[in-house]
Amino acid sequence: QVQLKESGPVLVQASETLSLTCTVSGFSLTNYGVIWVRQPPGKGLEWMGIIWRNGNTDYNSALKSRLSINRDTSKSQVFLKMNSLQTDDTAIYYCTRITIAAMGDYWGQGVMVTVSS
Amino acid sequence: DVVLTQTPPTLSATIGQSVSISCRSSQSLLHSNGNTYLNWLLQRPGQPPQLLIYLVSRLESGVPNRFSGSGSGTDFTLKISGVEAEDLGVYYCVQSTHAPFTFGSGTKLEIK
Repeated sequence: QVQLKESGPVLVQASETLSLTCTVSGFSLTNYGVIWVRQPPGKGLEWMGIIWRNGNTDYNSALKSRLSINRDTSKSQVFLKMNSLQTDDTAIYYCTRITIAAMGDYWGQGVMVTVSS
Repeated sequence: DVVLTQTPPTLSATIGQSVSISCRSSQSLLHSNGNTYLNWLLQRPGQPPQLLIYLVSRLESGVPNRFSGSGSGTDFTLKISGVEAEDLGVYYCVQSTHAPFTFGSGTKLEIK
């Protein structure tokens, strides 16, 4: 069955780089895109970026200068890297799948990342 | 970037009541391929979001048919016909027509 699972550090120091991995199963990254979404505590959802099935990427305009998303299709993994972290980057980070018709048909459980000053 | 304006921010309903949530876009969500990529998600407390509706009005597999979506262009609506207790949570519209994609600010549904 389709699954996505986020992994990475739960505590990161301000000014450092966040590295997260989304490991997927039940589908191929060459057939589906993967999106990163984050949610600060008590706030709404923020779309961060996408790696399309062809490997192209698009990013949130406000995060573009700090964010990169890439993948290893052989390992079924998508990677998020975001530098120059600040305390307001504290959030739950989710990965989710996009199909040709729908955004978000399957989601990971999310990983809570705290940025400490 | 596309801005999605969701109203109301909060909604209080009794069991069995029908409610509607509006999502208005700053530009048309009609894609050049003829599809309109407007999705609705529900996030229950402590859970990741789940997909309810895609392509404006198509019900995701396993979602009860008391949920329905409608609209076109820039104006969209999610309707719940007969709220049930399990429907509480925050509803989000999200557009996947124009990259970067964007979310609405959410509508919190409370059960009276």
